[in-house]
Amino acid sequence: GQNIDQPTEMTATEGAIVQINCTYQTSGFNGLFWYQQHAGEAPTFLSYNVLDGLEEKGRFSSFLSRSKGYSYLLLKELQMKDSASYLCAVSASGGYQKVTFGTGTKLQVIP
Amino acid sequence: GAGVSQTPSNKVTEKGKYVELRCDPISGHTALYWYRQSLGQGPEFLIYFQGTGAADDSGLPNDRFFAVRPEGSVSTLKIQRTERGDSAVYLCASSAGDRGSKTQYFGPGTRLLVL
Repeated sequence: GQNIDQPTEMTATEGAIVQINCTYQTSGFNGLFWYQQHAGEAPTFLSYNVLDGLEEKGRFSSFLSRSKGYSYLLLKELQMKDSASYLCAVSASGGYQKVTFGTGTKLQVIP
Repeated sequence: GAGVSQTPSNKVTEKGKYVELRCDPISGHTALYWYRQSLGQGPEFLIYFQGTGAADDSGLPNDRFFAVRPEGSVSTLKIQRTERGDSAVYLCASSAGDRGSKTQYFGPGTRLLVL
């Protein structure tokens, strides 16, 4: 099975930087996803890491350490529209693409 | 092309009734997933299709739930004898499949309310 842990809620100030952590335990590992989900909407893809290191994409960056079972999502220059839930999801090995989602971190950006 | 679409967007039904939820994936995507999401939780895996076959249905909670994808494109999730605990948002996602990107693209979901 898989176990994914991430903080339930976070608050950050507009213009600041915030880091959302995710730790996971899995039997087999085949990649880690971050999704953004605004209230009442579907999740939208942010990033995918399969190798160790930092992947940067505009204001968003995602980091992975496979040996530590750890990832983080870094959001820079926060905007009010970044208020959303951020879902960490792990893909296990096994020949297909089953993905297990964490419960999500609800981020509130305040002025 | 168009993204993943789901119909209906909202469904209200009475306990004991039968419902069908439809998902139309991104054209060319061979992999299709159904998830269920309750308030404050992440999506919970229900079933995965690769082509027409259900490659993994281990997430279906019981035999009241069934899903089909007869032509390898549109999928229908069927729930028999609905219960109040089935109320949730049912999300569908598709991806390029085993030989393509693993990224899953989600539809807007169907909000099911069982009274």
